Amino acid sequence: GAVVSQHPSWVICKSGTSVKIECRSLDFQATTMFWYRQFPKQSLMLMATSNEGSKATYEQGVEKDKFLINHASLTLSTLTVTSAHPEDSSFYICSAREGLPSYNEQFFGPGTRLTVL
Amino acid sequence: KNQVEQSPQSLIILEGKNCTLQCNYTVSPFSNLRWYKQDTGRGPVSLTIMTFSENTKSNGRYTATLDADTKQSSLHITASQLSDSASYICVVNGNNRLAFGKGNQVVVIP
Repeated sequence: GAVVSQHPSWVICKSGTSVKIECRSLDFQATTMFWYRQFPKQSLMLMATSNEGSKATYEQGVEKDKFLINHASLTLSTLTVTSAHPEDSSFYICSAREGLPSYNEQFFGPGTRLTVL
Repeated sequence: KNQVEQSPQSLIILEGKNCTLQCNYTVSPFSNLRWYKQDTGRGPVSLTIMTFSENTKSNGRYTATLDADTKQSSLHITASQLSDSASYICVVNGNNRLAFGKGNQVVVIP
């Protein structure tokens, strides 16, 4: 159980275009989903936290107008990178949590490799 | 300064040998600590989770230890296999926020 999927697994796009990444919890209802970015040999960096039906909370330094997050249902959250540039190239990982945060068990998706040319 | 420091940054070990990875943290308050395995180009997969009162926990050939007094944890891999080649990430949950280490990059060679 507790499977999280991401789509696509990798994407290459031209500079200036927008890219949407989907994150789905397959066998549980995710009240909270998280989006991370990971550069090579670096830690996962939390970008934003989203709760179903409400606006996402962004970490300091993350532009909310550039990284649009929608958490429309208990099983789906999307991250849209708008007007992507080469510096946005990274590995994007989502995670999902069911229920209360006290244990904070997050299940991670397989990640999406974004390359902006 | 990162709240979770892992060492060594990377290591190469022969197949069948054991190795130990270290994690030191400064996160406070402390709720729990997890070790994850992250294969290249994949998301992290949980190996073990330990709360304040737990000193040792095993998952197959993986054994994690925790010393909450010194804020140190270790992950011991026994009889390594080629499939153990991955990054091992120490994640500390404090005040409902996760703090990630950069990972220990392990390469197992035949």
